[in-house]
Amino acid sequence: AQTVTQSQPEMSVQEAETVTLSCTYDTSENNYYLFWYKQPPSRQMILVIRQEAYKQQNATENRFSVNFQKAAKSFSLKISDSQLGDTAMYFCAFMKHGNNDMRFGAGTRLTVKP
Amino acid sequence: DADVTQTPRNRITKTGKRIMLECSQTKGHDRMYWYRQDPGLGLRLIYYSFDVKDINKGEISDGYSVSRQAQAKFSLSLESAIPNQTALYFCATSDPKTGGTDTQYFGPGTRLTVL
Repeated sequence: AQTVTQSQPEMSVQEAETVTLSCTYDTSENNYYLFWYKQPPSRQMILVIRQEAYKQQNATENRFSVNFQKAAKSFSLKISDSQLGDTAMYFCAFMKHGNNDMRFGAGTRLTVKP
Repeated sequence: DADVTQTPRNRITKTGKRIMLECSQTKGHDRMYWYRQDPGLGLRLIYYSFDVKDINKGEISDGYSVSRQAQAKFSLSLESAIPNQTALYFCATSDPKTGGTDTQYFGPGTRLTVL
């Protein structure tokens, strides 16, 4: 079974600074997908960014980018120019290709301070 | 946006009661999912459905049942609710034909409390 570990239960960052959230996963698969979801206080789960394991290029979405290290099974999220609205729980998730049983990490609570 | 809706948004019930949580989507996706979220555990998959006639158990299906009434509707039932089913429940949808990664899009969640 695949497991996803987020080793930072809580983090904080000053507004406009950069922060990196860590995620590692354990799998024997070669073809899979990785995701970061954001859950603000409204509790809505919002997709932040996704990465296909077969792509070597790191995914980027505006201020959000990932550092995908396939050999190390690491998938960190970098948030640049942090904004107050980035305050939320962030979940890393793994999904094997062809299997929709997505596995989530326990989450990292990020607080952006003014 | 309101592409995936869940009703009710909040529900308090008593042990032993039958509860149904409903999910509707206007995204036109074939695949639908039910998750529960507990503090410190992230989300865990309860059931998923690839189409109206295809229902699959997820990681934690015991104590739950589902019904896929139509492509757009997927209901989760607790036949006899117990306190450890108190959690936040999410519905999600996906379609592998869009984007290729079969990304899941979530509803707003239902907070269920079983007393």
